[in-house]
Amino acid sequence: GESVGLHLPTLSVQEGDNSIINCAYSNSASDYFIWYKQESGKGPQFIIDIRSNMDKRQGQRVTVLLNKTVKHLSLQIAATQPGDSAVYFCAETGSGSYQLTFGKGTKLSVIP
Amino acid sequence: DADVTQTPRNRITKTGKRIMLECSQTKGHDRMYWYRQDPGLGLRLIYYSFDVKDINKGEISDGYSVSRQAQAKFSLSLESAIPNQTALYFCATSDLAGGPNNEQFFGPGTRLTVL
Repeated sequence: GESVGLHLPTLSVQEGDNSIINCAYSNSASDYFIWYKQESGKGPQFIIDIRSNMDKRQGQRVTVLLNKTVKHLSLQIAATQPGDSAVYFCAETGSGSYQLTFGKGTKLSVIP
Repeated sequence: DADVTQTPRNRITKTGKRIMLECSQTKGHDRMYWYRQDPGLGLRLIYYSFDVKDINKGEISDGYSVSRQAQAKFSLSLESAIPNQTALYFCATSDLAGGPNNEQFFGPGTRLTVL
């Protein structure tokens, strides 16, 4: 069936370095993608989104890249800080659908 | 104050007991969702509601039921809890007016343990 998955379940980075979290999706009809951050003991929080008519979108210290050819999504965090330590989820929705399908999550640990 | 609240935040119960988890939102959103989160499995959709008169099953609705009492309230029930329903449960909302954008806003979660 259609699925959204992550390449790396855990990622450790040094404080100040850039982080890249990857996500693969299999539904070619997906047209809207979201990255969520989930800190320990909290619900997921929206970070950034991108539509399928875009390849790149930037926010504050975060950039999402979308490669529709290989159905790949990535989240780049610049100058990673200890407060970025969390589990990151990608989620997608297909055209005409309002249901989100979530990936399994990547745990980002920032080493001070 | 939080926009999406869930009660209780933690609950321990026994097999066979009926449990209700409640969700309230002050965002004025039409759409509400219930997910469960298990380690290694991400979030999976249990039920969703696009308005008070609309209830839809999600990916894993067996063993669960829901009630949309008002636009702001969406409760999840486990009629007869079993141990494999031990999980973290999240309520979420989204805005109908958002069109194809489906950013969902999540509550803080309810940790349920079924013994």
